[in-house]
Amino acid sequence: AQTVTQSQPEMSVQEAETVTLSCTYDTSENNYYLFWYKQPPSRQMILVIRQEAYKQQNATENRFSVNFQKAAKSFSLKISDSQLGDTAMYFCAFMKHGTGNQFYFGTGTSLTVIP
Amino acid sequence: GAVVSQHPSRVICKSGTSVKIECRSLDFQATTMFWYRQFPKQSLMLMATSNEGSKATYEQGVEKDKFLINHASLTLSTLTVTSAHPEDSSFYICSARIEPSPSNSPLHFGNGTRLTVT
Repeated sequence: AQTVTQSQPEMSVQEAETVTLSCTYDTSENNYYLFWYKQPPSRQMILVIRQEAYKQQNATENRFSVNFQKAAKSFSLKISDSQLGDTAMYFCAFMKHGTGNQFYFGTGTSLTVIP
Repeated sequence: GAVVSQHPSRVICKSGTSVKIECRSLDFQATTMFWYRQFPKQSLMLMATSNEGSKATYEQGVEKDKFLINHASLTLSTLTVTSAHPEDSSFYICSARIEPSPSNSPLHFGNGTRLTVT
């Protein structure tokens, strides 16, 4: 079974600063996908960024970028120029390729952006 | 973008009654939908995979007779919590992927349903 670990239950960052959330996973698969989801207080799950394991280039989406280290099975999320609206729970997720869509979620990191 | 609508957003019911939660894909078809449960400050736990026109696949430890899932059409899945008890109080979230879709297509989530059983 796949496991996804987020070792930081809570983090905080000053507004406009940069913060990195860590995520590691355990799998014997070679082809898979990784995602970061954000869950603000509204509880709506929002996709932040995704990464294909076969791509070496790290994904970026505006202020959000990842550091994907396949050999180390690490998938950290960097948020630049943090904004108050970034305050949320962040979940790392893993999906095997071609398996019928099952996602495995990490335990989450609660991020607070301090004004 | 893809929209998944979940209803109701909140429900309070008495112990012993049943509650139905609906999950609709508004602008795409979904032969497969997923039901998650989330306890406060915890991660999402997959309860079951809902399959259009066939039986749902339940995760280990999830009582299929308690959490009835029906996926009668390509855009609607329902979760019925039967004979609810206070320990069933939780946040329930449905999700789906656009089909057909690229293999890296993400899950799209409903807004969730907060169930409180008194």
